Amino acid sequence: QVQLVESGGGVVQPGRSLRLSCAASGFTFRNYAMHWVRQAPGKGLEWVAVITNDGSGKYYADSVRGRFAISRDNSKNTRYVQRNSLSPEDTAVYFCARGTAMLPEYWGQGTLVTVAS
Amino acid sequence: QSMLTQSPSASGTPGQRVTVSCSGSSSNIGRNTVNWYLQLPGTAPKLLIYNNNLRPSGVPDRFSGSRSGTSASLAISGLQSEDEADYYCAAWDDTLNGYVFGTGTKVTVL
Repeated sequence: QVQLVESGGGVVQPGRSLRLSCAASGFTFRNYAMHWVRQAPGKGLEWVAVITNDGSGKYYADSVRGRFAISRDNSKNTRYVQRNSLSPEDTAVYFCARGTAMLPEYWGQGTLVTVAS
Repeated sequence: QSMLTQSPSASGTPGQRVTVSCSGSSSNIGRNTVNWYLQLPGTAPKLLIYNNNLRPSGVPDRFSGSRSGTSASLAISGLQSEDEADYYCAAWDDTLNGYVFGTGTKVTVL
């Protein structure tokens, strides 16, 4: 069945970088766009970024543009988001989701990132 | 990133019909289709409605969606205790070139 498993979360100091991964299985990875969405503790959902199925299109939320970089490796069924210059406001559960470029459909369980000194 | 506006809460007794509203603008709901997600506590969101009024496989027909102008709504008929959750609307925004979520509505079953 469809599985999306995020990894790479943890505690990181402000200003440092972190790379999250999303491992996909149970479907043809290269046919789907992949999104990242985050949720700060006790808050609502915030869309972060999307990468198209072939990696040619990348779109970011204003809050992360210039600091986050999304990528994918269709040969490994994995995609990544590199996060730089982290601040406490980036503390959240980060979900990856597959779908179309304009619709996250199926979500992973998320990985918690805590930015604190 | 602008967000779509939802009422913070809604409630009903078992069997009742509850409606959740979502207000946007001409750059998001006014131009693109609306999607709805359900999130139970401590779990990942689940797609409930897409393309304004379509249900993914497995979603009961008690859930229905509609869109009019720059607003949308989700209706839950025959409310059940397991429907108690947070509900989010969402749509692509052509001005932001990104996906925007609603502020979320907590539905409580009394």
